[in-house]
Amino acid sequence: GQNIDQPTEMTATEGAIVQINCTYQTSGFNGLFWYQQHAGEAPTFLSYNVLDGLEEKGRFSSFLSRSKGYSYLLLKELQMKDSASYLCAALDSNYQLIWGAGTKLIIKP
Amino acid sequence: IAGITQAPTSQILAAGRRMTLRCTQDMRHNAMYWYRQDLGLGLRLIHYSNTAGTTGKGEVPDGYSVSRANTDDFPLTLASAVPSQTSVYFCASSDAGGGRNEQFFGPGTRLTVL
Repeated sequence: GQNIDQPTEMTATEGAIVQINCTYQTSGFNGLFWYQQHAGEAPTFLSYNVLDGLEEKGRFSSFLSRSKGYSYLLLKELQMKDSASYLCAALDSNYQLIWGAGTKLIIKP
Repeated sequence: IAGITQAPTSQILAAGRRMTLRCTQDMRHNAMYWYRQDLGLGLRLIHYSNTAGTTGKGEVPDGYSVSRANTDDFPLTLASAVPSQTSVYFCASSDAGGGRNEQFFGPGTRLTVL
């Protein structure tokens, strides 16, 4: 079957760095997405990786290892507004997104 | 209209009633999706449409139906609502041409079935 695993909840301190991990098992693979979702709002796109390696975009970076079925989202210089859920999703061979349950990130001052 | 709109924003519905959730996009995306999101379960795909005139079943299609008469609109109908259909419903669209298929989401409809 197809499966995405990510931690349910993480806590970090304002100004610090946090890494949210995601492992996936899918029928075929066409890329890995990270979305951010603030409470009561819709998910919004953060990053997309299809090749191995690190993609950096400002304070956020995303890493992919296809051989390990593993990705992480790295958030630097954490701000209170980064408190949100972070959703990992893999694109399978039919180009359908398989979603993880999300990681709720709590930022403390 | 900019992006995807959904209506209503929220609704309280008596069990057994029929309800249609509306979704409209103006990005000319060929693919559209309906998800439900429940606490601890993440996004689950209900139905999808890869192009106008075609629809497909997702992970949790029972009790729901969709239609795709044109590119812009993708309504979701609950024929006879049940309390287990209480959820937040998100519509999404993407330019699914075999590329990365990034999905864009509407603001959601919060549905309570009593």
